[in-house]
This record gives sequence, C-alpha cells and structure tokens, in this order.
Amino acid sequence: AQTVTQSQPEMSVQEAETVTLSCTYDTSESNYYLFWYKQPPSRQMILVIRQEAYKQQNATENRFSVNFQKAAKSFSLKISDSQLGDTAMYFCGYGSGNTGKLIFGQGTTLQVKP
Amino acid sequence: DGGITQSPKYLFRKEGQNVTLSCEQNLNHDAMYWYRQDPGQGLRLIYYSQIVNDFQKGDIAEGYSVSREKKESFPLTVTSAQKNPTAFYLCASSMVGSSYNEQFFGPGTRLTVL
Repeated sequence: AQTVTQSQPEMSVQEAETVTLSCTYDTSESNYYLFWYKQPPSRQMILVIRQEAYKQQNATENRFSVNFQKAAKSFSLKISDSQLGDTAMYFCGYGSGNTGKLIFGQGTTLQVKP
Repeated sequence: DGGITQSPKYLFRKEGQNVTLSCEQNLNHDAMYWYRQDPGQGLRLIYYSQIVNDFQKGDIAEGYSVSREKKESFPLTVTSAQKNPTAFYLCASSMVGSSYNEQFFGPGTRLTVL
C-alpha cells in the first residue's frame, strides 16, 4: 500500500525553540522523492524542503532540515529557531519520479507561540 | 508575474448540479494536477495531465471530469455523480523531463454544496 503517516495531528513550540515533526511512509516505487509542504492560514501550499530518495545526505534549507532514514522509511522535519510565521499545517509525502504523482500525509498543525 | 490562478475562490452549488472549477497557469509547465483537500485527510489526487489532450485518473476520480485542450488550462468539472463534493480543491503544475520537478500550487477553490 502507498501510504504516508503523520502521527502528530497537532504540535506547539515556543518562538526561537526547535521542533521536530514526524513522518513515515510506505511505497513500492524505486524512483521517488520525499517532501514537506507547509500550508499557512492563507491555504497557499509552499514547498519547504525535499530530498531524492537515492541521496543519503540529509537535505537542509536554512532553518529547516530533515532526518531521512530510508530503511525505516522515516522522513522527519526539524525546524530550528521557530518563528511566528512558521505557524501552519505541514504535510509530509513522497512523489513518484515516474508519474509526478504526489502522495500526502494527513498533516500536522504547528502553532508557534510568542 | 508567473503563477497559477484558480477561480472562483468560493463556489456554491445546489445538489444535482454540475460545476466547473478553473485552473490556469502561465509557467509554461507541461504537467497539471487536481487535488482535493478534506479536514484530517491531507490532499488526494483527482486527475493529472502530463501533456495536452491527455490525462489520467488519480486516486479519487469518480464523479469528476477534466479536459486539457490547452497547455495553460486544466478545468475540473464536479458532476452530480460526486456524492460528497464539499471540499477545498487545489490545482498544481510542474515541468516534466526530470524525475523530481517541484509542483507549484494555486490558491485553491472552496466548493460548498447547499
């Protein structure tokens, strides 16, 4: 089955602190990549970070980094120095390198508190 | 400015009526996608198209139809056969030719059945 599981429906963090969002997935595809999108209250989907599954080195984008454990099929997102603008729903998922189709998890709502 | 536009932002439909959601992009992307977002379920793929005059069903295509007569446009029709159409609909587009092309999303259309 092709699934993505985000086990934390809601999380909160104090401004300037670090938070980690969990994600596990299951796919039979060999050519795929993993991603995290954020959806702020405006509901605009914004790509946060992505990583091709064949790469071993964890991706980093400024304050955002991932911990990719391929054998465990785990792809967690770490947000450092959390800012109020990070308040959003975060979706983990994977994309097919062959068809371009994206499979999303259920989402984690993150609240950054001042 | 390049981007994806969706119209209308809010749409109300009476039961038994067909309704068409518009999606236009000026990013010169070959591929376009339609997703449905329900609370607690993330995004699910309805239809996608990787080239003009061709499209494929996604995971939840029943009750929906699409056309791709122009590269820039990918309208979605929600038919009366869709039993629970109230949802938030997102259109996306991407380049093709590479395995890991980012999908860019429009601002979405909120459809409510009265």
